[in-house]
Amino acid sequence: KAGVTQTPRYLIKTRGQQVTLSCSPISGHRSVSWYQQTPGQGLQFLFEYFSETQRNKGNFPGRFSGRQFSNSRSEMNVSTLELGDSALYLCASRESGYGYTFGSGTRLTVV
Amino acid sequence: GENVEQHPSTLSVQEGDSAVIKCTYSDSASNYFPWYKQELGKGPQLIIDIRSNVGEKKDQRIAVTLNKTAKHFSLHITETQPEDSAVYFCAASRSGGGADGLTFGKGTHLIIQP
Repeated sequence: KAGVTQTPRYLIKTRGQQVTLSCSPISGHRSVSWYQQTPGQGLQFLFEYFSETQRNKGNFPGRFSGRQFSNSRSEMNVSTLELGDSALYLCASRESGYGYTFGSGTRLTVV
Repeated sequence: GENVEQHPSTLSVQEGDSAVIKCTYSDSASNYFPWYKQELGKGPQLIIDIRSNVGEKKDQRIAVTLNKTAKHFSLHITETQPEDSAVYFCAASRSGGGADGLTFGKGTHLIIQP
């Protein structure tokens, strides 16, 4: 099976812009989660989706949003980018009863 | 919410020796405890996990122990090899790793000295 695919791998944006990141889960996995990884805060939970429904959201402002499509693919969006949003954004998928498999992430740099 | 503390932040061991990384958690309702290994430029890779109804689990050179009373769990790597060098993260979840997401520790940089 192919792993979790995240696109793009690298992204540079300007403050105030918005960005959309994409994630294709492992075939058959219906649950997708997103995490933000920074040197200071470590790995932090953003949100979790199952069958197109957001089941939970971490402690992030409303500028962070996401969605899941009927084929389980997921996107996350960050509006009005701030310098502090620079991070590695990781997507992970799982099938029920098993652990999460992470993608390689999208490295977002806000300048 | 859940809080996971991980120690040490850096661990250097001689090749062939054992390495132990420890984590404590705060939420007694947590029931799922995975360990991830992250190499440079890659996403975290699940190496072993344990659920709250089990006290110990082993997979070749890797083992995890869980003490629910003390709310701590540990990763043990025996006969360390150069390819074990990486950053290791522990995590905890209330929902078996599902809807509630994972709360991660800050990570341990494991260095295997030749």
